[in-house]
Amino acid sequence: AQKVTQAQTEISVVEKEDVTLDCVYETRDTTYYLFWYKQPPSGELVFLIRRNSFDEQNEISGRYSWNFQKSTSSFNFTITASQVVDSAVYFCALSEAGLSNFGNEKLTFGTGTRLTIIP
Amino acid sequence: GAGVSQSPRYKVAKRGQDVALRCDPISGHVSLFWYQQALGQGPEFLTYFQNEAQLDKSGLPSDRFFAERPEGSVSTLKIQRTQQEDSAVYLCASSLFSSAQVSGNTIYFGEGSWLTVV
Repeated sequence: AQKVTQAQTEISVVEKEDVTLDCVYETRDTTYYLFWYKQPPSGELVFLIRRNSFDEQNEISGRYSWNFQKSTSSFNFTITASQVVDSAVYFCALSEAGLSNFGNEKLTFGTGTRLTIIP
Repeated sequence: GAGVSQSPRYKVAKRGQDVALRCDPISGHVSLFWYQQALGQGPEFLTYFQNEAQLDKSGLPSDRFFAERPEGSVSTLKIQRTQQEDSAVYLCASSLFSSAQVSGNTIYFGEGSWLTVV
């Protein structure tokens, strides 16, 4: 069975500091996909990134960067120069998308990390 | 709008009442998912549709939960004889393709229907 662990329940940092959100996953599949979503108070899950298991290159998008390390089964997310608008709950998720599940990309989510940026 | 739309946004139901939650996916999206999110938890998978076919309902917690997507677009999640443990946010999501292996097959979520059973 697959599992996603976000050990950090809540993090608070002062604006402009860098912050890293940890994500550790478990899966038996060789092909899988990892995701990060942001959930502001409105409740909508906002897609941030999708990464497949064969692509271990780190990715940077503006102030966001992701570090995928297969050896430690981790997919950590860093926000540099944090801003108040970054305050939200962040979820890491995993999907196993083998040919046997009819393309059903159902996601297994972690319990989320509540990030508060203090002005 | 262009996103996934859900209604009602908020619903208070008396225990034992039936409720119906509606999801309008992004136009043309083949895949549609329902998730349940309890307070302080991550979303948990309920069911999956590929067009009008319900291919996976392994996450539905009991036979009181029923979902349909008769014409392959709008979907309804129905909960019969609601219980207090059904109180949660119900999230609908859709994606353009039916295969996760298609590069860039992003899954888009709606804002959810917040159900409170009293």
